[in-house]
Amino acid sequence: EVQLLESGGGLVQPGGSLRLSCAASGFTFSSYAMSWVRQAPGKGLEWVSGISGSGGSTHYADSVKGRFTISRDNSKNTLYLQMNSLRAEDTAVYYCAKGPNLYNWNYGDYWGQGTLVTVSS
Amino acid sequence: EIVMTQSPATLSVSPGERATLSCRASQSVSSNLAWYQQKPGQAPRLLIYGASTRTTGIPARFSGSGSGTEFTLTISSLQSEDFAVYYCQQYNNWPRIFTFGPGTKVDIK
Repeated sequence: EVQLLESGGGLVQPGGSLRLSCAASGFTFSSYAMSWVRQAPGKGLEWVSGISGSGGSTHYADSVKGRFTISRDNSKNTLYLQMNSLRAEDTAVYYCAKGPNLYNWNYGDYWGQGTLVTVSS
Repeated sequence: EIVMTQSPATLSVSPGERATLSCRASQSVSSNLAWYQQKPGQAPRLLIYGASTRTTGIPARFSGSGSGTEFTLTISSLQSEDFAVYYCQQYNNWPRIFTFGPGTKVDIK
């Protein structure tokens, strides 16, 4: 059974940093692209960043480019999102989502339950 | 960036009735379109990819159609568990930037 478990969310001040983790199990982690998708309170879904199975290819939404960094450790079956220079508008539930193939995420066929990030002073 | 729109924003339907949800892309995405269902407090669940292919475990009452810029999700006979928010998402972009529609809430009439 595919399982994705996010952690690392919490309250952080504007301008601060946070690192999210997503522990994966139930599939061959290195064989699938992964993404982070966020959802602000009461709002819709926004794709944030994606990474290929090998980690060699990464992509970002314009809203986070230069501030967020996606990475993965295939030996630990874990996906990460390093978030720097956080803003109030980054407040959201952050989901990790598995893609259907190795190179491009395309869409999320399995999702974690999410971790809440709140940026506030 | 490809912009996705969905209509209506809210759809009120009685159990057993048919629901038709629309999704439009600002430019052609071919058949690179996915649909998700999200219930309150839960993560999204993939229903359909490739515009019309149901993912494993999704009931046959859910069907997707369309290509290019116009897409439709049809729920043939609404069950109580189908009341939720539905999002479309395109994956046609290069560079790889994926965009979601704003969602359609299906509630009980």
